[in-house]
Amino acid sequence: QKEVEQNSGPLSVPEGAIASLNCTYSDRGSQSFFWYRQYSGKSPELIMFIYSNGDKEDGRFTAQLNKASQYVSLLIRDSQPSDSATYLCAVSSNNNDMRFGAGTRLTVKP
Amino acid sequence: GAGVSQTPSNKVTEKGKYVELRCDPISGHTALYWYRQSLGQGPEFLIYFQGTGAADDSGLPNDRFFAVRPEGSVSTLKIQRTERGDSAVYLCASSWGGGPYNEQFFGPGTRLTVL
Repeated sequence: QKEVEQNSGPLSVPEGAIASLNCTYSDRGSQSFFWYRQYSGKSPELIMFIYSNGDKEDGRFTAQLNKASQYVSLLIRDSQPSDSATYLCAVSSNNNDMRFGAGTRLTVKP
Repeated sequence: GAGVSQTPSNKVTEKGKYVELRCDPISGHTALYWYRQSLGQGPEFLIYFQGTGAADDSGLPNDRFFAVRPEGSVSTLKIQRTERGDSAVYLCASSWGGGPYNEQFFGPGTRLTVL
């Protein structure tokens, strides 16, 4: 079992729709959770981080964390074609390293 | 200010050769990380520096891989006797401090191709 699991996609949504990206993790000691966006050929850039159970909203993005279920998600409202990218879920514990999922490829169709 | 920079952007080498990849972190960032990303995969942790010392090198795949950060700023990842399986994008990231709550900023990566 991989430490961080994501559906590889591709996930395709129409412009203006809500895109829902999911991630599960295996280490119950995980303390912080990150969503990175990676455009093709580019390096990852941080979109959201969340530490506590519940929802965290930032503009069109909402991160949701459920530690009991070891589940974290990212919702993108009013999806735009420019949101088309690979979204990486990353999990960190006290060990200072960050474990990434393989990423979900999102396509937003105009 | 300047972000994380990495050189070279691309490196092509032959199997068995030695390569060095350089990372220049954001000024003032004490923590530096190396990752490796293969096609279709997420970044894979290699090593973490806090200052000059390697605080966690548990991700280095074998003893052909070594990294240094002698002055607590620039870091060099060194790969001996390269193998075709080493081909990947090597990413460097830095943050203000270590630990799970500090945002890591990534550099553009070095694409290594071993022929």
